[in-house]
Amino acid sequence: DSGVTQTPKHLITATGQRVTLRCSPRSGDLSVYWYQQSLDQGLQFLIQYYNGEERAKGNILERFSAQQFPDLHSELNLSSLELGDSALYFCASSVGTSPAEQYFGPGTRLTVT
Amino acid sequence: QKEVEQDPGPLSVPEGAIVSLNCTYSNSAFQYFMWYRQYSRKGPELLMYTYSSGNKEDGRFTAQVDKSSKYISLFIRDSQPSDSATYLCAMSASPGTASKLTFGTGTRLQVTL
Repeated sequence: DSGVTQTPKHLITATGQRVTLRCSPRSGDLSVYWYQQSLDQGLQFLIQYYNGEERAKGNILERFSAQQFPDLHSELNLSSLELGDSALYFCASSVGTSPAEQYFGPGTRLTVT
Repeated sequence: QKEVEQDPGPLSVPEGAIVSLNCTYSNSAFQYFMWYRQYSRKGPELLMYTYSSGNKEDGRFTAQVDKSSKYISLFIRDSQPSDSATYLCAMSASPGTASKLTFGTGTRLQVTL
């Protein structure tokens, strides 16, 4: 158990809908990262927050947004969902901004029908 | 061409064998090199990380980085059936404004009795 929690574990929704994925980092970690894992693209970095501020963006779609709250938990919002958004979404956390020790949560499996 | 290349396998070895897993990369800015293990439908688990070049050993695992060749390796000694998983290499440039990880596609390892 990495200490990173993610909810929900599974999510099934229809095209065009909006969902929110939640992540709680390990105690003491200030950085939160979101990654998407699909069969054809592998693990892809989406976005990073550090202590409430956005630090870096990857190939995150405009339909996707995220935020990190004062208690350091983070939410990833996915809207206007398409079939291709079906994937595993992972949250990772680290103490600071060093990339060396990112610990991943169990993931949320999103299925868009 | 992808920034990080990794043979997807599958790689099948008998119990007790030495396993060699490898990645090549093209981005000379990468300074941090990580190996993650991922069991089916689980989150990636950090095994080891190395900063810059050199070797690092942790129990049955040894990580090697050769920056001149842009080549990294993970060796597993005395492999066990419980080592059966997908192994992902990940890399990052220096921390600063972004600590995102760039992943290989993963190598699926099967250790047979």
